[in-house]
Amino acid sequence: EAQVTQNPRYLITVTGKKLTVTCSQNMNHEYMSWYRQDPGLGLRQIYYSMNVEVTDKGDVPEGYKVSRKEKRNFPLILESPSPNQTSLYFCASRENTEAFFGQGTRLTVV
Amino acid sequence: AQKITQTQPGMFVQEKEAVTLDCTYDTSDPSYGLFWYKQPSSGEMIFLIYQGSYDQQNATEGRYSLNFQKARKSANLVISASQLGDSAMYFCAIQTGANNLFFGTGTRLTVIP
Repeated sequence: EAQVTQNPRYLITVTGKKLTVTCSQNMNHEYMSWYRQDPGLGLRQIYYSMNVEVTDKGDVPEGYKVSRKEKRNFPLILESPSPNQTSLYFCASRENTEAFFGQGTRLTVV
Repeated sequence: AQKITQTQPGMFVQEKEAVTLDCTYDTSDPSYGLFWYKQPSSGEMIFLIYQGSYDQQNATEGRYSLNFQKARKSANLVISASQLGDSAMYFCAIQTGANNLFFGTGTRLTVIP
């Protein structure tokens, strides 16, 4: 079954404590990306990757890092989370007209 | 830069009726794709339908169809025979060039019994 798996689904953390949200896909897609969803703003792209070791900034990259050491994994790293990064995060994997999203990670930074 | 506009923050439809969710886009890229996603209250993003800019016919997937008017740069989603389970947020998105997807702000659809 085609799948994008994100972990964790829910996370509450404190300001400044580094965290990583993992994302894994089993479809051998080259293109992966991270989005954040905020009320009234839709989904905004944070970072994307077109292949292993190829990453680039999206529309809202400040405060985030990513890495793509293997094709299937694309973790999102928050080195020093702040309350304005409280949001719903989605990882996505796509190839041509196929696009799949993970189930989302609801992050709260207090 | 690419832009997607969804002007309807919320829509109501009677069960079994059809409903149209509006989406307009702006891009200078001649090759692009248009997507619609459904987000139920549980939060996941569910792919509904895709339309390529060079596709001659409007895309259809079951009860979903995409009314693609290229000259007007619109890609409205039509849901026929609405069901209570169609109540959700709906997002329109455009993909251009480097596979980036740009989303609109969404429309919340409520189906009334």
